[in-house]
Amino acid sequence: QLLESGGGLVQPGESLTLSCAASGFTFSSYAMSWVRQAPGKGLEWVSGISGSGGSTYYADSVEGRFTISRDNSENTLYLQMSSLRAEDMAVYYCAKDRSLASSWNVADFWGQGTLVTVSS
Amino acid sequence: AIRMTQSPSSFSASTGDRVTITCRASQGISSYLAWYQQKPGKAPKLLIYAASTLQSGVPSRFSASGSGTDFTLAISCLQSEDFATYYCQQYYSYPPMFGQGTKVEIK
Repeated sequence: QLLESGGGLVQPGESLTLSCAASGFTFSSYAMSWVRQAPGKGLEWVSGISGSGGSTYYADSVEGRFTISRDNSENTLYLQMSSLRAEDMAVYYCAKDRSLASSWNVADFWGQGTLVTVSS
Repeated sequence: AIRMTQSPSSFSASTGDRVTITCRASQGISSYLAWYQQKPGKAPKLLIYAASTLQSGVPSRFSASGSGTDFTLAISCLQSEDFATYYCQQYYSYPPMFGQGTKVEIK
């Protein structure tokens, strides 16, 4: 199970941290990612992290503003978001990789999503 | 980034129809392609990976093919629960990119 939390309403320029609590699998063995979906739009990969946390990846649209991290002792994935913009408004999903590859490739399990609203 | 283009963007079909959705990559991605199904208000669900491998638990009426730049998802006998939006996703190189989606609606 993947359970996201931390979404909410923020003003442009503010910060927010999302969490994703994982259970039912060996969390530290799998790469994880955040994928977002703006209202009425398609899916956009945002950021990924290896199972160990040693490698991180970002979409150009969030590079330098978002930070992905994980706490394998707590089975939790995080996304720290700063300098939020109107275009960051979306449902944010955490997603588990299907395989034991070091980088995230294909999601075989998704959380239910958490909504981030950026508005003044 | 590799761009993924799906066609059509939407279409209407009837229960029992055979339908196909096409996904084209802006450059060759070998067989590093996945297909997802998403219903309104729900998270995506993995259907296919490695271009043609059915994910465990997915009904056999779903099939997919292709390699390189051109890929197809087929549903052999459309069921009521199959009306949804379908996305392809390449994982040949970073960043992973999704197609814009194809919405399958009831005729």
